[in-house]
Amino acid sequence: DAGVTQSPTHLIKTRGQQVTLRCSPKSGHDTVSWYQQALGQGPQFIFQYYEEEERQRGNFPDRFSGHQFPNYSSELNVNALLLGDSALYLCASSLGTRTGYGYTFGSGTRLTVV
Amino acid sequence: AQKITQTQPGMFVQEKEAVTLDCTYDTSDQSYGLFWYKQPSSGEMIFLIYQGSYDEQNATEGRYSLNFQKARKSANLVISASQLGDSAMYFCAIYGGATNKLIFGTGTLLAVQP
Repeated sequence: DAGVTQSPTHLIKTRGQQVTLRCSPKSGHDTVSWYQQALGQGPQFIFQYYEEEERQRGNFPDRFSGHQFPNYSSELNVNALLLGDSALYLCASSLGTRTGYGYTFGSGTRLTVV
Repeated sequence: AQKITQTQPGMFVQEKEAVTLDCTYDTSDQSYGLFWYKQPSSGEMIFLIYQGSYDEQNATEGRYSLNFQKARKSANLVISASQLGDSAMYFCAIYGGATNKLIFGTGTLLAVQP
């Protein structure tokens, strides 16, 4: 049973550029949540997608946007990259929006902004 | 607002010994869930154990147990018989209330010494 798959695993971008990260949820899951984990910190919630809509959003600027596709996979887009956007971006999938117990995390995408 | 506090940035333990990782939480919700995750250097967040706020008994999962003291708002993780493979970051998290997200602490880096 495939778990959560994220791509790419590593990425280096220049300030001001745009980046797209991808996530395929665990088989049977329909909800995707994105988290940002800065170095030495715990993950911070960015937003959650369910039924192709953003259901909840954390304290992140509009430069962070997302999308969910009919097959439940999701993308995270970050525009006008800043040095402070350098972090590990984690995707978590679940069945339904209120199943914190059922979260499955991917291994993340390490984004470095130079 | 919910908050998790982990006061131990790093811990050392000898192989085969038990270790306790501290976690205190703050929430105004009556119903919530407490989680512990392990994050090895690969980046993936691995679910270890869950405790519901209404569970009267402490949760156990193999070598992991959660020492839940509701009145003190404490949810410490106990790892018995530590193994070298237990060396990793450990995060305590809370989920509940009106939010569909996990709130993480800053983590504890555990090093198991032979």
